[in-house]
Amino acid sequence: DAKTTQPNSMESNEEEPVHLPCNHSTISGTDYIHWYRQLPSQGPEYVIHGLTSNVNNRMASLAIAEDRKSSTLILHRATLRDAAVYYCILRFRRDDKIIFGKGTRLHILP
Amino acid sequence: EAGVVQSPRYKIIEKKQPVAFWCNPISGHNTLYWYRQNLGQGPELLIRYENEEAVDDSQLPKDRFSAERLKGVDSTLKIQPAELGDSAVYLCASSLEGHQPQHFGDGTRLSIL
Repeated sequence: DAKTTQPNSMESNEEEPVHLPCNHSTISGTDYIHWYRQLPSQGPEYVIHGLTSNVNNRMASLAIAEDRKSSTLILHRATLRDAAVYYCILRFRRDDKIIFGKGTRLHILP
Repeated sequence: EAGVVQSPRYKIIEKKQPVAFWCNPISGHNTLYWYRQNLGQGPELLIRYENEEAVDDSQLPKDRFSAERLKGVDSTLKIQPAELGDSAVYLCASSLEGHQPQHFGDGTRLSIL
């Protein structure tokens, strides 16, 4: 199974952009890159996903490297409510199984 | 739309007792998942249903865990008997189809005394 590598934790100031990195050097051509986040005492929440091209939605942007071996989740203007654990996940197209790692715990400083 | 509903929110039992968790997925979602999340870890898949059929139960400890999804809607997950190591948060998720984003409930936090 392809694996992802994320920093254990990151800090950012409120109202500033946040760039959350993810390495997935063993990604295959049909793997989608998904991001979920988990706020305290809640279940994970879908954020965004992509295959090759950069993606934008109301929550975040996803920048995917040209070789697809890494990606970055971008929160354009962090708020205190964005403090959460962010999971970068490879989702196999043929098999919809998703495997969560430990994720990155994002701390937002007021 | 209403989200995935799980109950109870918290459960405390003594070891060797049975326990059951209930999940009501988002209306119209054919795929349902049960996950277990240990403290400080990401969720781990226990079982996945497509309608009423369990299509992936390879990670379900079948000696003590069982699950059912009658009529392809609500689902229950049961542990009998519970062991100390079963203390965790049990999460239910659903998706419209297998490859669509998953929507999670807030989980049931199980504590074994």
